[in-house]
Amino acid sequence: DGGITQSPKYLFRKEGQNVTLSCEQNLNHDAMYWYRQDPGQGLRLIYYSQIVNDFQKGDIAEGYSVSREKKESFPLTVTSAQKNPTAFYLCASSILFGATSSGANVLTFGAGSRLTVL
Amino acid sequence: GEDVEQSLFLSVREGDSSVINCTYTDSSSTYLYWYKQEPGAGLQLLTYIFSNMDMKQDQRLTVLLNKKDKHLSLRIADTQTGDSAIYFCAEMGPDSWGKLQFGAGTQVVVTP
Repeated sequence: DGGITQSPKYLFRKEGQNVTLSCEQNLNHDAMYWYRQDPGQGLRLIYYSQIVNDFQKGDIAEGYSVSREKKESFPLTVTSAQKNPTAFYLCASSILFGATSSGANVLTFGAGSRLTVL
Repeated sequence: GEDVEQSLFLSVREGDSSVINCTYTDSSSTYLYWYKQEPGAGLQLLTYIFSNMDMKQDQRLTVLLNKKDKHLSLRIADTQTGDSAIYFCAEMGPDSWGKLQFGAGTQVVVTP
């Protein structure tokens, strides 16, 4: 079955540590995204990538870093510079914008990773 | 930035219709979406509508778009307990390169 796999599902981190969240997709999608979800707030875009070896900052990129060395993989590192990292992190992917017949950009989401800073 | 707003909570009795409302500020939005999130899970696409349409129906779901008022609604007919979830409205603008702007989500609780 095609889909997006995020790991780990739960992660605990001590203050001052970097952690990396994994996101892998086998949908052959070109574009991948990282969103952060906090209670009572909408999803906020951290980073996105439309092609291998290229990525752009979203609305809240400070304290985060990403890489896109393979089409299937888009890992997110939460660095010690992120002041309030406790949140639910969602990875998504889509066909490259503009490549669909309908024009709609339909995102497929992973199940999420919950990060708690102790 | 552009805003998408939703009420945070809706309680509905099983068998009734649910109506979830959303307003947005970007008048040039090209597509509007409804996603569903069950507890501890990712988001699942329910439906989307192109901005030149005013209604779309898909089984129990009806989407209404009032472009003049920048108002989007999702009606769920014959609401079931399995419909209890958070529902997110999202919009995509013409210059957004496919990025979606999400609302805060509406928690729908279905009671027996």
